[in-house]
Amino acid sequence: NAGVMQNPRHLVRRRGQEARLRCSPMKGHSHVYWYRQLPEEGLKFMVYLQKENIIDESGMPKERFSAEFPKEGPSILRIQQVVRGDSAAYFCASSPGQGRKETQYFGPGTRLLVL
Amino acid sequence: EDKVVQSPLSLVVHEGDTVTLNCSYEVTNFRSLLWYKQEKKAPTFLFMLTSSGIEKKSGRLSSILDKKELFSILNITATQTGDSAIYLCAPNRDDKIIFGKGTRLHILP
Repeated sequence: NAGVMQNPRHLVRRRGQEARLRCSPMKGHSHVYWYRQLPEEGLKFMVYLQKENIIDESGMPKERFSAEFPKEGPSILRIQQVVRGDSAAYFCASSPGQGRKETQYFGPGTRLLVL
Repeated sequence: EDKVVQSPLSLVVHEGDTVTLNCSYEVTNFRSLLWYKQEKKAPTFLFMLTSSGIEKKSGRLSSILDKKELFSILNITATQTGDSAIYLCAPNRDDKIIFGKGTRLHILP
């Protein structure tokens, strides 16, 4: 039973480019969460999605960041026109449906470096 | 504003010692509290606590929640070098988890 999968594991972009981070939840999980971890800081919630729906995006920066979780395929976190401050580890987590939503299982993360 | 404070921020002990990690929180619409262990990669789930006063145990790790005092502790007995990691306390509110900055634990052989 594969866990949460994220790719790429490492991503290098130059300022102004776009970054696309992918997350495939665990089998049977329909809830996906994205978190950002800046160096030496804790994990910060960004967005919570279910299939085809954004449930809570209160942690997403207002500009340049977007997320989706289509009916088919992985969840995508997209960062347009990246800046150096976007360099961080981005973790995706998934949880089952009703009754056990609180227990989130994390992917290995994507480490984004903006040059 | 939601707040999670973990202490100590870092801790260095010798193998075999017992450690207690602390977490205090102020979170609206609190539902449960989770503990995670983060080594070099993704956080791994340790415990979920929903009720006060009920200790959860897993091997050498145990944790307890006090919902009145808004506090939780994580105990690790007979520590091993493999316990070296960042331990994250994470209150859960309305399906959004708020993470503390973590306690960085280092076990010396």
